[in-house]
Amino acid sequence: DTAVSQTPKYLVTQMGNDKSIKCEQNLGHDTMYWYKQDSKKFLKIMFSYNNKELIINETVPNRFSPKSPDKAHLNLHINSLELGDSAVYFCASSQGGPLPRKPQHFGDGTRLSIL
Amino acid sequence: GESVGLHLPTLSVQEGDNSIINCAYSNSASDYFIWYKQESGKGPQFIIDIRSNMDKRQGQRVTVLLNKTVKHLSLQIAATQPGDSAVYFCAENIRRGDSGGSNYKLTFGKGTLLTVNP
Repeated sequence: DTAVSQTPKYLVTQMGNDKSIKCEQNLGHDTMYWYKQDSKKFLKIMFSYNNKELIINETVPNRFSPKSPDKAHLNLHINSLELGDSAVYFCASSQGGPLPRKPQHFGDGTRLSIL
Repeated sequence: GESVGLHLPTLSVQEGDNSIINCAYSNSASDYFIWYKQESGKGPQFIIDIRSNMDKRQGQRVTVLLNKTVKHLSLQIAATQPGDSAVYFCAENIRRGDSGGSNYKLTFGKGTLLTVNP
């Protein structure tokens, strides 16, 4: 199936640990994103990559480091996890950069819970 | 009204009725808007989009209306079905700075919880 797929779907870990979330899209898109959705459903962009180049970094703590090995993959590594990092993290992709007039397609999210 | 817990605006309709979900956007320079549907445990799913040079666009059972004068966007769902129950988000494409075309980002509204009663 054509899709944006994220792994893992659920991630439960202790405060202070380091964890990674992976994302892959087979839609042939050239731009990928990470979003964070809090407990009140507020959805906010964190990062965006276009052709493996970082183009948006929305005042996210340095503990969060995205990596894009190729156009189809965008991973998110988080160091020293904190309680406030508990959220659902969504990966998305689109074609043509984050320019107007192109919808973004989302994965089903990674539910991160910090104990 | 608001749903306790999630603090989202809520809309409750009877199956078969038409639904109208409203959204006020923030930036008069935004020139592209999208409606997304998010079901429980899923990611946002694209429904319909509209450019600012239009004031209405129709899809299958859905219509988006754009009023740039008052910065208002609405999503109309005809003959609402139980499968339409979800959180609906509007999103606007906002220019982040003055440095050109690569500096747009999609900014999401608060979301509205639509509940369809059979």
